[in-house]
Amino acid sequence: DAGITQSPRYKITETGRQVTLMCHQTWSHSYMFWYRQDLGHGLRLIYYSAAADITDKGEVPDGYVVSRSKTENFPLTLESATRSQTSVYFCASRDRDLYEQYFGPGTRLTVT
Amino acid sequence: GESVGLHLPTLSVQEGDNSIINCAYSNSASDYFIWYKQESGKGPQFIIDIRSNMDKRQGQRVTVLLNKTVKHLSLQIAATQPGDSAVYFCAELYNFNKFYFGSGTKLNVKP
Repeated sequence: DAGITQSPRYKITETGRQVTLMCHQTWSHSYMFWYRQDLGHGLRLIYYSAAADITDKGEVPDGYVVSRSKTENFPLTLESATRSQTSVYFCASRDRDLYEQYFGPGTRLTVT
Repeated sequence: GESVGLHLPTLSVQEGDNSIINCAYSNSASDYFIWYKQESGKGPQFIIDIRSNMDKRQGQRVTVLLNKTVKHLSLQIAATQPGDSAVYFCAELYNFNKFYFGSGTKLNVKP
């Protein structure tokens, strides 16, 4: 399907486990982003990537790892999940020349 | 750091009326803003944007107003429909790749 997809849509994991959230876009957008959304907060940027093999920290990067070996994929890994990482995670992408970001449907992650 | 906030967390309007959602921003150097709509269980969806060299921009049934003097944005929705019920965010570009997002205003449209 065209667009931006995320998987899984829902995930429950235990404290200390590693979990990876997947993001895939079909537009060949240069930029991709990971955000978390928590009650009472706006979206907060975790990491972003300007191109394959180029990543940079956002506002709240601690506890997260990203990679981008292919333009279309931008996985987010929680190496040792903590309860404070319970959140809804959104992936987004944008074209190099435009600021408008296109968001995926989100992954609701619960860490028990 | 800089932040973007909203005046009203919840707004209820009658179907057919106009809606106005407000947003304050704090970085006077910001030169680009976006309004997003987020329906329950979905990702944010772009509505309209505006650059700081403009005061007003219109789309289909939506208008964004920018008042740089008081650092205020508003989103006006004409003839509000039930499908407009959602949470609306403003976002402020503070870096080439980084936006600050407000926490959102929930719009309830009563039939």
